[in-house]
Amino acid sequence: RKEVEQDPGPFNVPEGATVAFNCTYSNSASQSFFWYRQDCRKEPKLLMSVYSSGNEDGRFTAQLNRASQYISLLIRDSKLSDSATYLCVVNRNFNKFYFGSGTKLNVKP
Amino acid sequence: NAGVTQTPKFQVLKTGQSMTLQCAQDMNHEYMSWYRQDPGMGLRLIHYSVGAGITDQGEVPNGYNVSRSTTEDFPLRLLSAAPSQTSVYFCASSYSVGQPQHFGDGTRLSIL
Repeated sequence: RKEVEQDPGPFNVPEGATVAFNCTYSNSASQSFFWYRQDCRKEPKLLMSVYSSGNEDGRFTAQLNRASQYISLLIRDSKLSDSATYLCVVNRNFNKFYFGSGTKLNVKP
Repeated sequence: NAGVTQTPKFQVLKTGQSMTLQCAQDMNHEYMSWYRQDPGMGLRLIHYSVGAGITDQGEVPNGYNVSRSTTEDFPLRLLSAAPSQTSVYFCASSYSVGQPQHFGDGTRLSIL
């Protein structure tokens, strides 16, 4: 079983839509959680960390459910520039990071 | 502030050749790591280092060596290149363990 699993998509949404991605992780000892964004043929870039109480950064909201071992990302009022692949990342034993294979988002005019 | 710098950006090798992928960071980060990214598989951790002189294996270490003689540099060595090592390689660093990482812009490696 993979450490981190994501729906690969693609999610095709119109501008202005709200879209949500989920990610599940297999190891309950995982300690910290992140969402990264990766544009085609570019490096991953940190979008936001995910905190137990949930957190928001502008149009982006992240939630963590430790009991069910999943992380979510909600994007409101989607922009064309949000088109990218979103990577869920889980940290375990502090030293090791496990990446999901990503969810592709296409925002269309 | 350059962040994480990887060289080269592209490389083609023949099977059996060796080479070193360079990674340097100027942020005084303690934690550095190497990943490979293959289609449909996400990023997989090859090796990591929690500080100068300390390295350890990740998920897919076979065929690769690393060293960390300084805080700034973390080179990745391919000992005898194989076609299965064709991939995009990313180096990353963070201030300390468990903190979000900053990535270099990658090395695209093809092995024929």
